[in-house]
Amino acid sequence: DIQMTQSPSTLSASVGDRVTITCRASQSIDKWLAWYQQKPGKAPKLLIYRASDLQTGVPFRFSGSGSGTDFTLTISSLQPDDFATYYCQQYDTYYSFGQGTKLEIK
Amino acid sequence: EVQLVDSGGGLVQPGGSLRLSCAASGFTVSSNYMAWVRQAPGKGLQWVAIIYAGGTTYYADSVKGRFTISRDNSKNTVYLQMNSLRAEDTAVYYCARDLWGFGFDHWGQGTLVTVSS
Repeated sequence: DIQMTQSPSTLSASVGDRVTITCRASQSIDKWLAWYQQKPGKAPKLLIYRASDLQTGVPFRFSGSGSGTDFTLTISSLQPDDFATYYCQQYDTYYSFGQGTKLEIK
Repeated sequence: EVQLVDSGGGLVQPGGSLRLSCAASGFTVSSNYMAWVRQAPGKGLQWVAIIYAGGTTYYADSVKGRFTISRDNSKNTVYLQMNSLRAEDTAVYYCARDLWGFGFDHWGQGTLVTVSS
């Protein structure tokens, strides 16, 4: 099984900050990685697919990069609506998710 | 408009069974990959099962042999039959469309399954 490890588990930031979340796969997954945003009591929302492609309707302040085993999600200027939990997901071999990164207001 | 509506959750005793449904609209389930993902209370996301357009199915090790994913093309609905339920299966269960190569682009609202005596 491919293990996905996110860091940090919790991130405190302020509106306007630039933040980066990292995700590491236990083996190479090429670019088969997605990022999701989840708010309490809601289903996850797809943000990024194929490591760096922005899903339709997602603001341009979200970006993804990486390939192989190391990936990042960057939010260029945090907005109040961005405080949520973020998950990476590999879909190279079956599927697995990272443990999540909770983005909190500082 | 693409929409997924999850239903069928509830309280069940350990060892019991439950069938979840995911009614789709705005697209055809038989032409897509459809997945079930669960989330235990306060925990992260865990992939459970997938059914490919051709009908092939795969399962997470934790549910293999106990859960079965299927679909009814006439009802445009995907199911998750869950047998031999355990306390650790307690979670919100979401169905999702896997637009292969493009991630899980649409999700149901989730249905809560509680396994407890």
